[in-house]
Amino acid sequence: EVQLVESGGVGVQPGGSLRLSCAAFGFTFNDYTIHWVRQAPGKGPEWVSLISWDGDNTFYADSVKGRFTISRDNSKNTVFLQMNTLTTEDTALYYCTKGIDSGSFRPSMDVWGKGTTVTVSS
Amino acid sequence: QSVLTQPPSVSAAAGQKVTISCSGSSSNIGNNYVSWYQQVPGTAPKLLIYDNNKRPSGIPDRFSGSKSGTSATLGITGLQTGDEADYYCVTWDSSLTVLFGGGTKLTVL
Repeated sequence: EVQLVESGGVGVQPGGSLRLSCAAFGFTFNDYTIHWVRQAPGKGPEWVSLISWDGDNTFYADSVKGRFTISRDNSKNTVFLQMNTLTTEDTALYYCTKGIDSGSFRPSMDVWGKGTTVTVSS
Repeated sequence: QSVLTQPPSVSAAAGQKVTISCSGSSSNIGNNYVSWYQQVPGTAPKLLIYDNNKRPSGIPDRFSGSKSGTSATLGITGLQTGDEADYYCVTWDSSLTVLFGGGTKLTVL
């Protein structure tokens, strides 16, 4: 079964750091772009970042640029999101999701994890 | 406030048809494919339409998508109570970011 499983979400104080992980199952991981999308309580989804199938290309939302870093380990079928200098505005459910077509950056995301919750609070 | 503009809400009777619009610019919709997602509260978004008008496997043909210029439209026919959800348009932007629309809440009367 094609599946994405996020982990690493916890409570953290403002200014702190977290690393989220996204483990992939059931597909040829190194063929696909992976995105992180977050959703604050009561709000719509917000795209955060993407990483290309080979890890050579990464893109970020302006709201996280310079603070978040996306990476992947294709030998472990896992994507990471390193989040630094966290603020209360980063509080959200963070989803990992996969592009529908291999070798494409298009934001057509056909498989989503259940998400992991990040709470930034003092 | 999202760069992609959607109506906050739409409603229609069961069995009827509804359309949801998504308005952008030449920097985004005008030069890129549009996807549409359905989100039932408490669940992850679900891909309904990609590349403007393609349906992933398992999505019924009651759902359709189109694009003209800098706007896109999601159509749903034969409305069912299970279609009640929030709907989002998504596209790539020339700033090398991915944009989500503000979302439209569909109510089936």
